[in-house]
Amino acid sequence: GEDVEQSLFLSVREGDSSVINCTYTDSSSTYLYWYKQEPGAGLQLLTYIFSNMDMKQDQRLTVLLNKKDKHLSLRIADTQTGDSAIYFCAENGGSYIPTFGRGTSLIVHP
Amino acid sequence: DGGITQSPKYLFRKEGQNVTLSCEQNLNHDAMYWYRQDPGQGLRLIYYSQIVNDFQKGDIAEGYSVSREKKESFPLTVTSAQKNPTAFYLCASSIPARDSPLHFGNGTRLTVT
Repeated sequence: GEDVEQSLFLSVREGDSSVINCTYTDSSSTYLYWYKQEPGAGLQLLTYIFSNMDMKQDQRLTVLLNKKDKHLSLRIADTQTGDSAIYFCAENGGSYIPTFGRGTSLIVHP
Repeated sequence: DGGITQSPKYLFRKEGQNVTLSCEQNLNHDAMYWYRQDPGQGLRLIYYSQIVNDFQKGDIAEGYSVSREKKESFPLTVTSAQKNPTAFYLCASSIPARDSPLHFGNGTRLTVT
């Protein structure tokens, strides 16, 4: 079945760039999403990329997609303490129901 | 503003009692979902519904029940048969299409003692 893998933790210093990685197995994935979850809250859509794109930039966020390797990354430039959260990668393969990764906890320290 | 409302934010129950979590949306979405979140385990799908009066089991439906009598509402009942009910529960909705992201509520934290 489909699987989405992420590392569980990432720690960065304030002002540095953060790169959160994700791999997926479903080759029919057409949309890949990044969601952000702040403590005690639900998930918010951060950005998404369509599978025929290899890059998408939105202010401090850059999404890179390597479809051949089924690898997705989210780069946050100039990371701030307010970026501390859990980041989920998700893909819609053969269904409208997304498959989520387990989430990467981003810790930003001064 | 359109959105999803989950209530209550925190819920405490004694073991052996059924409890119902509320989820209401005014986004006019056909599809609604219930997820369970445990630390380090990501999101696990409990039930989902694509249309009123119809719903399907997700990956961990045992010990849970749902109803979908209205498009706006998708309540989840955690029954006494659920062995480990203490968790963070998230409700979501979407247009049932592959290019449609999920919209989430702010969750209900259930503690059963």
